[in-house]
Amino acid sequence: KAGVTQTPRYLIKTRGQQVTLSCSPISGHRSVSWYQQTPGQGLQFLFEYFSETQRNKGNFPGRFSGRQFSNSRSEMNVSTLELGDSALYLCASSLVSSYGYTFGSGTRLTVV
Amino acid sequence: QKEVEQNSGPLSVPEGAIASLNCTYSDRGSQSFFWYRQYSGKSPELIMSIYSNGDKEDGRFTAQLNKASQYVSLLIRDSQPSDSATYLCAVSTPNDYKLSFGAGTTVTVRA
Repeated sequence: KAGVTQTPRYLIKTRGQQVTLSCSPISGHRSVSWYQQTPGQGLQFLFEYFSETQRNKGNFPGRFSGRQFSNSRSEMNVSTLELGDSALYLCASSLVSSYGYTFGSGTRLTVV
Repeated sequence: QKEVEQNSGPLSVPEGAIASLNCTYSDRGSQSFFWYRQYSGKSPELIMSIYSNGDKEDGRFTAQLNKASQYVSLLIRDSQPSDSATYLCAVSTPNDYKLSFGAGTTVTVRA
């Protein structure tokens, strides 16, 4: 059974640019979440989608957005990149959110 | 007050010993509790979930939950060098659709 697939694995972007990250959940999982992980702040929740609807959003500026497609694949977008956006971005999927989430390998974003 | 707090660590234990990890949470409505293991440079991996008060054992891992004290713990028995990782406590509240994570406790098992 394939796990959660995130692409790309690594990205280097310049301040002011925008970036789109992609996530394919485990087959059958309709709940997809995104998290940001940094050494200083740890793992922070960005947003969660279920059947193309955002059910919750974390405390991040509007530059961070996401969406989910009808096949449950999800993308997140960060516009006007700042140096502080450098982080590991993790996607996680779940069959039932209360059962826990399976994480993908992450996308390491470096903003220079 | 942070939503989820873990003993800061790092925790160093000899091989074969018991590693004890603690976590407290602030939201009394929390119903689902998880322990994730994260190796350096890797993503978190779910190792234990617990939903009701008491102990839950899975191999060398035992999770303990006390909702009245808002406390959840993880014991790693017969610790192995392969257990060296950061352990993250995560808590979920019904209809919140998110995990709130602690900062993690880094465990090093000395051979």
